[in-house]
Amino acid sequence: DGGITQSPKYLFRKEGQNVTLSCEQNLNHDAMYWYRQDPGQGLRLIYYSQIVNDFQKGDIAEGYSVSREKKESFPLTVTSAQKNPTAFYLCASSPGQGPTGELFFGEGSRLTVL
Amino acid sequence: GNSVTQMEGPVTLSEEAFLTINCTYTATGYPSLFWYVQYPGEGLQLLLKATKADDKGSNKGFEATYRKETTSFHLEKGSVQVSDSAVYFCALKRSQGNLIFGKGTKLSVKP
Repeated sequence: DGGITQSPKYLFRKEGQNVTLSCEQNLNHDAMYWYRQDPGQGLRLIYYSQIVNDFQKGDIAEGYSVSREKKESFPLTVTSAQKNPTAFYLCASSPGQGPTGELFFGEGSRLTVL
Repeated sequence: GNSVTQMEGPVTLSEEAFLTINCTYTATGYPSLFWYVQYPGEGLQLLLKATKADDKGSNKGFEATYRKETTSFHLEKGSVQVSDSAVYFCALKRSQGNLIFGKGTKLSVKP
């Protein structure tokens, strides 16, 4: 089945450690996105990529990094510079930049910093 | 800039009650509008969308109409079920292609 796979589903990290969240899609979508969800805050955009080897900062990019070496993959690294990394992270994709198309979401990864 | 405001929850209803979740937006032009639903511990699923003014999106008994006069996209359902218990997000699409979300409204339906 086509879809978006995020892993791991749950992750625990000690303070000061970097951690990488995986996002893979087999929908042949050009665009991919990372959002962060906190209770009562909705979803906020971290980074997005509209094409391979290119990506842009979203609204809350500080303390995060991404790469887009393959169309199918858009991993997110939460660095030690991120002051409050405990959150639910959602990856999404869409066919392109068109004004009407929806985003398709993965199941999410919950990161807890101990 | 672009923004989405939706009514704060939680909203608690009895089964078969009428549901309205208010959503208003601020945007340049006429962006596409969306309602997503999130069940506990899961990602977001598209519930419905509208791409131009006066469009009505509908799915699974839910409806929302794109009202440019009031810059609103309120979600309605005539008779809710326990299985509708979830968090609902209103969103608009930016010109860059990504979505801006409201803060979400948690709905609990009691039998």
